[in-house]
Amino acid sequence: AIQLTQSPSSLSASVGDRITITCRASQGVGDTVVWYQQKPGRAPKLLIFDASTLQSGVPSRFSGSGSGTDFTLSISSLQPEDFATYYCQQMFTYPHVFGQGTKVDIK
Amino acid sequence: QVLLVQSGAEVKKPGSSVKVSCQASGGTFSSHAINWVRQAPGQGLEWMGGIIPVFNSPTYAQKFQDRLTVTTDESTRSAQMELSSLISADTAVYFCATYRGDVWGQGTLVTVSS
Repeated sequence: AIQLTQSPSSLSASVGDRITITCRASQGVGDTVVWYQQKPGRAPKLLIFDASTLQSGVPSRFSGSGSGTDFTLSISSLQPEDFATYYCQQMFTYPHVFGQGTKVDIK
Repeated sequence: QVLLVQSGAEVKKPGSSVKVSCQASGGTFSSHAINWVRQAPGQGLEWMGGIIPVFNSPTYAQKFQDRLTVTTDESTRSAQMELSSLISADTAVYFCATYRGDVWGQGTLVTVSS
């Protein structure tokens, strides 16, 4: 099965910072990566699909890029509500595995 | 927009089975495109299995191949997951979600304890 490796596993940042999270696939997955945000006790929320398409209603400070094996999620100016855990997932082939997650907390 | 509502929390004994249901309301819903994901306490998301769109057949992660069954009922707009031979490591919150991942159920806590 394809493996997804996210980096970093955690990061501390301040409101207003720009952050980038990386997701690397063990083999090519085209542009089928999606990104989720999850807050404690809540279901994941879809942010980005097809690697770079912003889900309806998601603020434009979120952006995604990449294809093949390397993908990134960026937040241009971190807001208080963005402190959460972020996951990538590949939809190229079954099983649709997730990355291990990146926890973003307040510095 | 479709809403997915899951059945309530369960407490199960080791070796038993659990069924979790996922009921759709509102919007446009295809029960043939529901995935199941779980999250153990303090851990990440784990894709378990789901129904392959178009083909309307189930597919499972290898680790669940022998004890997971996912079904759908188009007439009732619902999906169900059954996990058998439960062990303590199956204690987790179980989510149903649409294939695209844009709609999720609220999660169902399954606790496996003797």
